[in-house]
Amino acid sequence: KAGVTQTPRYLIKTRGQQVTLSCSPISGHRSVSWYQQTPGQGLQFLFEYFSETQRNKGNFPGRFSGRQFSNSRSEMNVSTLELGDSALYLCASSLASGSRDTQYFGPGTRLTVL
Amino acid sequence: GQNIDQPTEMTATEGAIVQINCTYQTSGFNGLFWYQQHAGEAPTFLSYNVLDGLEEKGRFSSFLSRSKGYSYLLLKELQMKDSASYLCAGATSGTYKYIFGTGTRLKVLA
Repeated sequence: KAGVTQTPRYLIKTRGQQVTLSCSPISGHRSVSWYQQTPGQGLQFLFEYFSETQRNKGNFPGRFSGRQFSNSRSEMNVSTLELGDSALYLCASSLASGSRDTQYFGPGTRLTVL
Repeated sequence: GQNIDQPTEMTATEGAIVQINCTYQTSGFNGLFWYQQHAGEAPTFLSYNVLDGLEEKGRFSSFLSRSKGYSYLLLKELQMKDSASYLCAGATSGTYKYIFGTGTRLKVLA
């Protein structure tokens, strides 16, 4: 079974631009969560989607948004990029949306904002 | 708020045993996950404890005490490939998100 895939793997943008990241979950998984990982903060939860609905959202500004499609693939969008948005963005999929369901992570998208 | 704490860095010798501790606030947590993350790679699932006690999986074991808000990951017969960051994550009850610690970077020396 193929794992979680994320595209692109690396991205360089400048301040003020916007970016869209994509995540394809493991086949059969309906929940997709997004995380931001930085050296100082660790993994910070962004949001979770299940059956095309946002189930929960972390403490990030409205510039961070996402959506999920009927095939469970998910996209995350960051508008008006800031230098502090430079990070590794990880998505994780799980079978269902319960907090006990094991999450499986993708390789991440490394975003650099110049 | 909810919080998870773990040491930033640990060093151990190949063949030794190392214990990585994780403490968390007791309210609202519904189990503890441990993940391993090698540099530049995605976190991979190691273990999940929802009940008190020790769960053993080969060279890795994980322990949970819910009343004390405490968990640890025990790695035996350390190998060089075990050099990685180990992330402790609390599953929060009633919601659909996880709280991660900042990770413990383990260096295994020859």
